[in-house]
Amino acid sequence: QSVLTQPPSASGTPGQRVTISCSGINSNIRSDTLNWYQQLPGTAPKLLIYNNNQRPSGVPDRFSGSKSGTSASLAISGLQSEDEADYYCAAWDDRLNGPVFGGGTKLTVL
Amino acid sequence: QVQLVESGGGLVKPGGSLRLSCAASGFTFSDYYMTWIRQAPGKGLEWVSYVSGSGSHTNYADSVKGRVTISRDNAKKSIYLQMNSLRAEDTAVYYCARSFPFDYWGQGTLLTVSS
Repeated sequence: QSVLTQPPSASGTPGQRVTISCSGINSNIRSDTLNWYQQLPGTAPKLLIYNNNQRPSGVPDRFSGSKSGTSASLAISGLQSEDEADYYCAAWDDRLNGPVFGGGTKLTVL
Repeated sequence: QVQLVESGGGLVKPGGSLRLSCAASGFTFSDYYMTWIRQAPGKGLEWVSYVSGSGSHTNYADSVKGRVTISRDNAKKSIYLQMNSLRAEDTAVYYCARSFPFDYWGQGTLLTVSS
């Protein structure tokens, strides 16, 4: 059972804006360490957002992250067919002294 | 460019042992913590273990503690995961990744534990 909770699925149509939530960010979670990863079918995960809302170079600005209280969100605007993938949140847990992952959300582009 | 290449996966019987390797290139290897993360078939990501740049600091997930040892050889720019007393639930693709927030990942190596 994942420490961080994500909805198992999400969907949207091309051009739409979709959001994926990540909840359960408790006091053990180090602040500003919430990251998001995109895993395309059959490939390794790729860092999409780090430190709550920072984009690595090369990640389109259609992807954005935010955090408020005990939840975080990944927003994808201008949804494209190639965004169909699994998305995972992760953060650093100071009690475990290690990272924890959400269970993942499968995004379907209709 | 940064590259991480895992190897060593395969089919092992329950109770058996295996050593996974991850070869790195394209960055100053000894400056970075390195991590193993696994993904069981059709499941999510699970952190397994990490090792500091010098190799002096390690940590393990409870699910593998006592059965797994992480190590590194900075001269060979490689990390290793020695896995013992393997169980069916260790079946997964094992990825190595560079330092939290895991900005680079390898392609993964599949370990299957089955009789």
